[in-house]
Amino acid sequence: SQTIHQWPATLVQPVGSPLSLECTVEGTSNPNLYWYRQAAGRGLQLLFYSVGIGQISSEVPQNLSASRPQDRQFILSSKKLLLSDSGFYLCAWSRGPGVNNEQFFGPGTRLTVL
Amino acid sequence: DQQVKQNSPSLSVQEGRISILNCDYTNSMFDYFLWYKKYPAEGPTFLISISSIKDKNEDGRFTVFLNKSAKHLSLHIVPSQPGDSAVYFCAARQGGSEKLVFGKGTKLTVNP
Repeated sequence: SQTIHQWPATLVQPVGSPLSLECTVEGTSNPNLYWYRQAAGRGLQLLFYSVGIGQISSEVPQNLSASRPQDRQFILSSKKLLLSDSGFYLCAWSRGPGVNNEQFFGPGTRLTVL
Repeated sequence: DQQVKQNSPSLSVQEGRISILNCDYTNSMFDYFLWYKKYPAEGPTFLISISSIKDKNEDGRFTVFLNKSAKHLSLHIVPSQPGDSAVYFCAARQGGSEKLVFGKGTKLTVNP
């Protein structure tokens, strides 16, 4: 069976500090990978997605970046965090490419920027 | 531009009754729709989906209805249970895309 891991579960960082969130998927190969953010009282906002190693599509201009150094590893980074970066960050995967592929989410990382 | 809208931020029902969660969309190119359930501090869990070639899909207590002409879908939960209390997200995918577009969610509370 497939599993998706995210760490850390919670993170408190000062404004201006760097960020690195990691996501890994087990039990599948060549998945599509996604980073979402859920801000307080908001829905799920797609930040980045990747259909293969080194292939990153950015959905929202911001001070965040993503990388996919390995097939089942997806990393979300920032060089300098802003207060507005606070939120609940979710990684997801889907079988791809293909039709009618639902996305499966990880447990999330709660980021608080102070 | 919000392409997937869940206009009710919250819904409260009694245990054993029916819960109906609604979702509207604006993009006629959407061809696949999904419902997710999310507990606080956890990732969303996939519940049920429906393709645009169907108008109903059922899985146990959960049924999703799709009305393409009205660009509307709904999730019915019968009977509702206290463990169903969560935030429910509607999502849609445009044919050929690898992305999902999510609504803002509806918080369902099932009272014992």
